[in-house]
Amino acid sequence: DIQMTQSPSTLSASVGDRVTITCRASQSINTWLAWYQQKPGKAPKLLMYEASSLESGVPSRFSGSGSGTEFTLTISSLQPDDFATYYCQQYHSYSPGWTFGQGTKVEIK
Amino acid sequence: EVQLVESGGGLVQPGGSLRLSCAASGIVFSTYAINWVRQAPGKGLEWVSGISGSGYNTNYADSVKGRFTISRDNSENTLFLQMNNLRAEDTAVYYCAKGMRELLDPDYFQHWGQGTLVTVSS
Repeated sequence: DIQMTQSPSTLSASVGDRVTITCRASQSINTWLAWYQQKPGKAPKLLMYEASSLESGVPSRFSGSGSGTEFTLTISSLQPDDFATYYCQQYHSYSPGWTFGQGTKVEIK
Repeated sequence: EVQLVESGGGLVQPGGSLRLSCAASGIVFSTYAINWVRQAPGKGLEWVSGISGSGYNTNYADSVKGRFTISRDNSENTLFLQMNNLRAEDTAVYYCAKGMRELLDPDYFQHWGQGTLVTVSS
C-alpha cells in the first residue's frame, strides 16, 4: 500500500505569508499527485493535478512541485480565503484505491 | 456546469442498510468513472469505491468490501451506493466524486458533490 504523509498537520500563518505544505509518499508515484482545498462543511476542491498543473480557475498564487516521493504545495501570499484544510492524493497505483494524506489545516496566526 | 447531488443519507442502526444516490448533470454521464469518498467527523478523506463509465468494473476499499455495492444507471445519470451491515465506523459524510477518465484508471477528482451524512448509531 502507498501511504501519504503530510506535514505539518497544522500551520499558523498570517495574511501575506508564504506557506509551504509537504506531502511524502511511501514509494515513488512519479508526478501522479493532486492537491485539494477543503473548507468547513464544504466538499473538497481540486487545486492541482500531476503535481504541478494548476486547475482552471485556481489563483496563480498556488503552485505545486515535486516528483517521486516528495511534493510541496506553496501559497505565495496567503489570502483570507485560503484558510482551510489541504489534502494531497496519489493516483499512481491502486493501493487499493486512491490514498489521501491526513490533511494540513492552515489557520490564522 | 457539472453538478453532482447526493441524497439518501440519514440515521441507521448498527447492522442496518442504506442506499445513497448521486444524480449527475452537465456531463455525458456514461463516459466517466465515478467514485465514492467519505469523511468521518473531524477526520480526513477516505476513498470508498469506484465504478467505470459502463458499470462493468468496480473497486472497493478493504474496509467496505463485501458490505457495500456500487452501481450506476446511465439512463438516469445516477450513481448508487448500497450499504449493508453498517457499523459505527461507517459514520461519515459520503461524497460522490467524478474523475477525468471512463475506466478505473489512476485518476484525480475534478468534481465533487456536496455530500450526504450517514450516521450509524443505536
